[in-house]
Amino acid sequence: EDQVTQSPEALRLQEGESSSLNCSYTVSGLRGLFWYRQDPGKGPEFLFTLYSAGEEKEKERLKATLTKKESFLHITAPKPEDSATYLCAVQAFGYSTLTFGKGTMLLVSP
Amino acid sequence: EAQVTQNPRYLITVTGKKLTVTCSQNMNHEYMSWYRQDPGLGLRQIYYSMNVEVTDKGDVPEGYKVSRKEKRNFPLILESPSPNQTSLYFCASSLVPGSGQETQYFGPGTRLLVL
Repeated sequence: EDQVTQSPEALRLQEGESSSLNCSYTVSGLRGLFWYRQDPGKGPEFLFTLYSAGEEKEKERLKATLTKKESFLHITAPKPEDSATYLCAVQAFGYSTLTFGKGTMLLVSP
Repeated sequence: EAQVTQNPRYLITVTGKKLTVTCSQNMNHEYMSWYRQDPGLGLRQIYYSMNVEVTDKGDVPEGYKVSRKEKRNFPLILESPSPNQTSLYFCASSLVPGSGQETQYFGPGTRLLVL
Protein backbone atom coordinates (compact mmCIF):
# COMPACT_ATOMS: atom_id res chain seq x y z
CA GLU A 1 0.00 0.00 0.00
CA ASP A 2 1.34 3.40 -0.97
CA GLN A 3 1.98 5.76 1.93
CA VAL A 4 2.88 9.43 2.16
CA THR A 5 3.96 11.13 5.39
CA GLN A 6 4.51 14.86 5.58
CA SER A 7 6.39 16.70 8.30
CA PRO A 8 6.09 18.87 10.17
CA GLU A 9 2.31 19.05 10.46
CA ALA A 10 2.55 22.79 11.01
CA LEU A 11 5.35 25.30 10.64
CA ARG A 12 5.51 28.92 11.64
CA LEU A 13 8.19 31.12 10.07
CA GLN A 14 9.13 34.76 10.20
CA GLU A 15 9.18 36.55 6.87
CA GLY A 16 12.56 35.89 5.26
CA GLU A 17 13.29 32.80 7.39
CA SER A 18 14.04 29.95 4.96
CA SER A 19 13.05 26.37 5.75
CA SER A 20 12.10 23.01 4.24
CA LEU A 21 9.05 20.78 4.27
CA ASN A 22 9.48 17.01 4.10
CA CYS A 23 7.48 14.36 2.25
CA SER A 24 8.46 10.74 2.91
CA TYR A 25 6.89 8.09 0.72
CA THR A 26 6.68 4.38 0.10
CA VAL A 27 5.36 3.29 -3.26
CA SER A 28 5.70 0.15 -5.35
CA GLY A 29 7.15 2.06 -8.27
CA LEU A 30 7.07 5.83 -8.47
CA ARG A 31 5.53 7.30 -11.59
CA GLY A 32 5.46 10.80 -10.18
CA LEU A 33 5.51 12.88 -6.99
CA PHE A 34 3.35 15.98 -6.91
CA TRP A 35 3.37 19.10 -4.76
CA TYR A 36 0.25 21.19 -4.36
CA ARG A 37 -0.58 24.36 -2.45
CA GLN A 38 -3.98 24.69 -0.83
CA ASP A 39 -5.45 27.89 0.56
CA PRO A 40 -8.25 27.63 3.15
CA GLY A 41 -11.57 26.63 1.57
CA LYS A 42 -10.08 26.28 -1.91
CA GLY A 43 -9.01 23.46 -4.17
CA PRO A 44 -5.38 22.35 -4.31
CA GLU A 45 -3.27 24.29 -6.79
CA PHE A 46 -0.57 22.43 -8.69
CA LEU A 47 3.05 23.42 -8.02
CA PHE A 48 5.47 20.72 -9.24
CA THR A 49 5.78 17.21 -10.58
CA LEU A 50 8.99 15.23 -9.99
CA TYR A 51 9.59 11.95 -11.78
CA SER A 52 13.03 10.63 -10.81
CA ALA A 53 15.55 10.80 -7.98
CA GLY A 54 17.85 13.76 -8.31
CA GLU A 55 15.31 15.88 -10.13
CA GLU A 56 14.78 19.47 -8.95
CA LYS A 57 12.23 22.10 -9.94
CA GLU A 58 11.91 25.74 -8.96
CA LYS A 59 9.19 28.33 -8.97
CA GLU A 60 9.76 31.74 -7.43
CA ARG A 61 10.72 31.12 -3.78
CA LEU A 62 9.96 27.39 -3.92
CA LYS A 63 12.28 24.55 -4.89
CA ALA A 64 11.30 20.89 -4.88
CA THR A 65 13.79 18.03 -4.77
CA LEU A 66 13.38 14.26 -4.93
CA THR A 67 15.29 11.26 -3.61
CA LYS A 68 14.31 7.60 -3.68
CA LYS A 69 12.56 7.89 -0.32
CA GLU A 70 11.55 11.50 0.16
CA SER A 71 10.98 14.88 -1.34
CA PHE A 72 11.70 18.30 0.09
CA LEU A 73 9.99 21.58 -0.61
CA HIS A 74 12.48 24.33 0.16
CA ILE A 75 11.10 27.80 0.79
CA THR A 76 13.62 30.60 0.46
CA ALA A 77 12.95 33.96 2.12
CA PRO A 78 9.24 33.31 2.48
CA LYS A 79 6.62 36.04 2.42
CA PRO A 80 3.25 36.13 4.22
CA GLU A 81 1.51 35.27 0.95
CA ASP A 82 3.29 31.90 1.00
CA SER A 83 1.11 30.93 3.98
CA ALA A 84 -0.94 27.89 2.96
CA THR A 85 -1.14 24.14 3.39
CA TYR A 86 1.32 22.28 1.18
CA LEU A 87 0.28 18.83 0.01
CA CYS A 88 2.44 16.04 -1.35
CA ALA A 89 1.05 13.15 -3.41
CA VAL A 90 2.48 10.11 -5.19
CA GLN A 91 1.34 8.11 -8.16
CA ALA A 92 2.55 4.58 -8.78
CA PHE A 93 3.22 2.94 -12.12
CA GLY A 94 0.23 1.02 -13.36
CA TYR A 95 -2.19 3.04 -11.27
CA SER A 96 -4.07 6.20 -12.04
CA THR A 97 -4.85 7.22 -8.46
CA LEU A 98 -2.99 9.71 -6.30
CA THR A 99 -2.14 9.03 -2.66
CA PHE A 100 -1.94 12.24 -0.67
CA GLY A 101 -0.18 13.11 2.54
CA LYS A 102 -2.03 15.06 5.21
CA GLY A 103 -0.17 18.24 4.44
CA THR A 104 2.01 20.81 6.18
CA MET A 105 0.30 24.00 7.28
CA LEU A 106 2.72 26.89 6.80
CA LEU A 107 2.23 30.28 8.43
CA VAL A 108 4.61 33.10 7.56
CA SER A 109 4.44 36.10 9.85
CA PRO A 110 5.48 39.61 8.73
CA GLU B 1 -9.87 29.96 -19.05
CA ALA B 2 -9.00 26.34 -18.28
CA GLN B 3 -10.93 25.27 -15.25
CA VAL B 4 -12.84 22.66 -13.29
CA THR B 5 -16.19 23.84 -11.98
CA GLN B 6 -18.36 22.33 -9.28
CA ASN B 7 -21.91 23.03 -8.22
CA PRO B 8 -23.22 23.71 -5.73
CA ARG B 9 -20.38 25.19 -3.70
CA TYR B 10 -22.25 24.81 -0.43
CA LEU B 11 -25.06 22.41 0.42
CA ILE B 12 -27.00 21.61 3.57
CA THR B 13 -29.29 18.60 3.37
CA VAL B 14 -30.96 16.00 5.56
CA THR B 15 -30.26 12.31 5.96
CA GLY B 16 -31.66 10.22 3.13
CA LYS B 17 -32.42 12.99 0.65
CA LYS B 18 -30.73 12.16 -2.65
CA LEU B 19 -28.37 14.78 -4.02
CA THR B 20 -26.04 15.31 -6.95
CA VAL B 21 -22.90 17.42 -7.08
CA THR B 22 -21.94 18.35 -10.61
CA CYS B 23 -18.41 18.63 -11.98
CA SER B 24 -17.40 19.95 -15.37
CA GLN B 25 -14.01 20.59 -17.02
CA ASN B 26 -13.18 22.48 -20.21
CA MET B 27 -9.68 21.07 -20.83
CA ASN B 28 -10.71 17.96 -22.82
CA HIS B 29 -9.21 15.77 -20.09
CA GLU B 30 -9.85 12.04 -20.20
CA TYR B 31 -9.28 11.43 -16.50
CA MET B 32 -11.62 12.76 -13.82
CA SER B 33 -11.79 12.03 -10.14
CA TRP B 34 -13.68 12.82 -6.93
CA TYR B 35 -12.03 13.32 -3.53
CA ARG B 36 -13.26 14.09 -0.08
CA GLN B 37 -11.18 16.02 2.43
CA ASP B 38 -11.66 15.64 6.16
CA PRO B 39 -9.64 17.12 9.04
CA GLY B 40 -6.84 14.81 10.08
CA LEU B 41 -7.47 12.42 7.18
CA GLY B 42 -6.35 14.43 4.20
CA LEU B 43 -7.61 13.96 0.67
CA ARG B 44 -9.07 10.55 -0.11
CA GLN B 45 -10.22 9.40 -3.52
CA ILE B 46 -13.85 8.32 -3.89
CA TYR B 47 -14.20 7.36 -7.58
CA TYR B 48 -12.35 8.02 -10.77
CA SER B 49 -12.99 7.75 -14.49
CA MET B 50 -10.44 7.06 -17.21
CA ASN B 51 -12.84 8.06 -19.99
CA VAL B 52 -16.49 8.13 -21.02
CA GLU B 53 -18.42 5.18 -19.59
CA VAL B 54 -15.31 3.96 -17.70
CA THR B 55 -15.42 4.43 -13.93
CA ASP B 56 -13.77 2.71 -10.98
CA LYS B 57 -13.72 2.83 -7.20
CA GLY B 58 -11.15 4.76 -5.24
CA ASP B 59 -10.31 4.34 -1.57
CA VAL B 60 -13.66 5.36 -0.04
CA PRO B 61 -16.49 4.60 -2.52
CA GLU B 62 -19.17 3.42 -0.07
CA GLY B 63 -22.34 5.51 -0.24
CA TYR B 64 -21.43 7.23 -3.51
CA LYS B 65 -22.20 6.74 -7.19
CA VAL B 66 -20.78 8.38 -10.29
CA SER B 67 -21.48 8.42 -14.00
CA ARG B 68 -19.51 9.57 -17.03
CA LYS B 69 -21.79 9.98 -20.00
CA GLU B 70 -19.90 12.92 -21.47
CA LYS B 71 -16.18 13.61 -21.44
CA ARG B 72 -16.50 16.98 -19.74
CA ASN B 73 -18.91 16.01 -16.92
CA PHE B 74 -18.50 13.72 -13.93
CA PRO B 75 -21.33 14.07 -11.40
CA LEU B 76 -21.14 12.64 -7.88
CA ILE B 77 -24.37 11.14 -6.59
CA LEU B 78 -25.29 10.49 -2.98
CA GLU B 79 -28.39 8.27 -3.12
CA SER B 80 -29.08 8.35 0.62
CA PRO B 81 -26.73 10.78 2.36
CA SER B 82 -25.73 10.19 5.96
CA PRO B 83 -24.06 12.51 8.49
CA ASN B 84 -20.68 10.76 8.03
CA GLN B 85 -20.67 12.07 4.46
CA THR B 86 -20.42 15.63 5.76
CA SER B 87 -17.18 16.76 4.17
CA LEU B 88 -15.43 18.99 1.65
CA TYR B 89 -15.55 17.45 -1.82
CA PHE B 90 -13.22 18.13 -4.72
CA CYS B 91 -13.44 17.16 -8.34
CA ALA B 92 -10.22 16.92 -10.36
CA SER B 93 -9.24 16.24 -13.95
CA SER B 94 -6.10 15.48 -15.92
CA LEU B 95 -4.82 14.02 -19.15
CA VAL B 96 -4.69 10.25 -19.10
CA PRO B 97 -2.11 8.80 -16.68
CA GLY B 98 0.94 7.62 -18.55
CA SER B 99 0.84 10.55 -20.93
CA GLY B 100 3.62 12.31 -19.05
CA GLN B 101 1.20 15.05 -18.11
CA GLU B 102 -0.57 13.55 -15.14
CA THR B 103 -1.01 16.80 -13.26
CA GLN B 104 -4.49 16.88 -11.75
CA TYR B 105 -6.35 20.18 -11.73
CA PHE B 106 -8.83 20.64 -8.92
CA GLY B 107 -12.17 22.36 -8.72
CA PRO B 108 -13.01 24.92 -6.02
CA GLY B 109 -14.72 22.41 -3.73
CA THR B 110 -18.23 21.67 -2.47
CA ARG B 111 -18.85 21.88 1.25
CA LEU B 112 -21.59 19.43 2.23
CA LEU B 113 -23.38 19.23 5.56
CA VAL B 114 -25.75 16.31 6.15
CA LEU B 115 -28.04 16.74 9.14
